[in-house]
Amino acid sequence: KAGVTQTPRYLIKTRGQQVTLSCSPISGHRSVSWYQQTPGQGLQFLFEYFSETQRNKGNFPGRFSGRQFSNSRSEMNVSTLELGDSALYLCASTLVVGSSTDTQYFGPGTRLTVL
Amino acid sequence: SQELEQSPQSLIVQEGKNLTINCTSSKTLYGLYWYKQKYGEGLIFLMMLQKGGEEKSHEKITAKLDEKKQQSSLHITASQPSHAGIYLCGADFSGGSNYKLTFGKGTLLTVNP
Repeated sequence: KAGVTQTPRYLIKTRGQQVTLSCSPISGHRSVSWYQQTPGQGLQFLFEYFSETQRNKGNFPGRFSGRQFSNSRSEMNVSTLELGDSALYLCASTLVVGSSTDTQYFGPGTRLTVL
Repeated sequence: SQELEQSPQSLIVQEGKNLTINCTSSKTLYGLYWYKQKYGEGLIFLMMLQKGGEEKSHEKITAKLDEKKQQSSLHITASQPSHAGIYLCGADFSGGSNYKLTFGKGTLLTVNP
């Protein structure tokens, strides 16, 4: 079974631009979570989507948004990019069987550099 | 302050040596996850612990969750260069909301041949 895929793997943008990142979960997985990883703050939760609805949200400004499609694929968008948005963006997919043993499986990440 | 503290921040060991990484929480954990990350890459799931006193092993890696469910340790026996990487603990603090994890800052492990 294929793992979580993220595209693109690397991205360079300039301040003020916007960017869209894509995540395809493991086949059959219904939940997609997004995280931002930086050297200073570590790994921080952005938001989680299930059945095309945002269920959980972290403490990030409204410039960060996302959505999920009917096939569970998810995208996240960052508008008006700032230098501090440079980070590794990771998505994770979860099967969701209603069990507390559900586990998040991570993709390889998208490395975003803002100049 | 950080909700999840990992120690040490970095560790250098000689191949063949044993080592332990700790993860301490300021509050009760509903689930504790251990992941490994190669620099700049995605996270690889290692183990999940839920019950107080629980212990799990996979190959040469053993993870334990204490009875109070506020501290976990990851122990590697007879370390190998393939064990090198960043070890991250992630916690579910909300009781079943496994889709929103809080992570520690990570422990960088170097294994010298």
